[in-house]
Amino acid sequence: TQLLEQSPQFLSIQEGENLTVYCNSSSVFSSLQWYRQEPGEGPVLLVTVVTGGEVKKLKRLTFQFGDARKDSSLHITAAQPGDTGLYLCAGAWGNQGGKLIFGQGTELSVKP
Amino acid sequence: EPEVTQTPSHQVTQMGQEVILRCVPISNHLYFYWYRQILGQKVEFLVSFYNNEISEKSEIFDDQFSVERPDGSNFTLKIRSTKLEDSAMYFCASSALAKNIQYFGAGTRLSVL
Repeated sequence: TQLLEQSPQFLSIQEGENLTVYCNSSSVFSSLQWYRQEPGEGPVLLVTVVTGGEVKKLKRLTFQFGDARKDSSLHITAAQPGDTGLYLCAGAWGNQGGKLIFGQGTELSVKP
Repeated sequence: EPEVTQTPSHQVTQMGQEVILRCVPISNHLYFYWYRQILGQKVEFLVSFYNNEISEKSEIFDDQFSVERPDGSNFTLKIRSTKLEDSAMYFCASSALAKNIQYFGAGTRLSVL
C-alpha cells in the first residue's frame, strides 16, 4: 500500500510568520502535486514537481522535491490571513494509470 | 480558463436508491478520474478511465459503482444501490495525459439518508 504522510495536520500561526509543511513516503514518486482546497470546493492545483531536487516558487510559496523523489515540502514566507486553508500533497507513481494518492492534508490558520 | 464542471453540487438520496453524478471534463483531456472524500478524511482515488474503459480502480470501486462516457463530453459515476457510508464529496478530475496535471471539479456532495 502506498502512503503519503503529511505533517503537521494542523497549524495555527500569526500573520508574518514562516511555516513549512512536509510530505513523505517510503516510495519514489514520478511526480508530486500540491493543492489547496477551500471548504466545499475541489482541490485547486498550486504546483507540480517532477525532478528530484527541483525547487519551484509561487510568490511567497516555495515548493521543494527531495533529491530521491520520496519527499516534498511547502514553505510559506510571511504568512497572511489569505493563506488560510487546507493544503494537500498528492503523489503519482510510475506506471499506474495516473491515479493520485493524497496526504491527509494540513489545515493552516493564519491569524491577523 | 477551462475547468471541470460537476452536477449537481448537492445530491440527497434515500439508502438503496441509484444516483448518477455527472462531470464535464476539460474538452481536450483524455484521462478521467473519480475521487471521493468522506468528511474529515483523505481524498481517495476511486477509478481512472481512458479510451472508453477503466484503466485502474481501487478497492472502494466495487460492483455497485460504474462509470461511463455516454457522449463526447460527459463522464458519469453511477452508484446502483446507495449505502449510508457512500455519503461523501465526489470529485471528478481530468488530465491531458496519464502522468500530467489533474484538474479537479468543485465536487458533488452526496448525502445518503
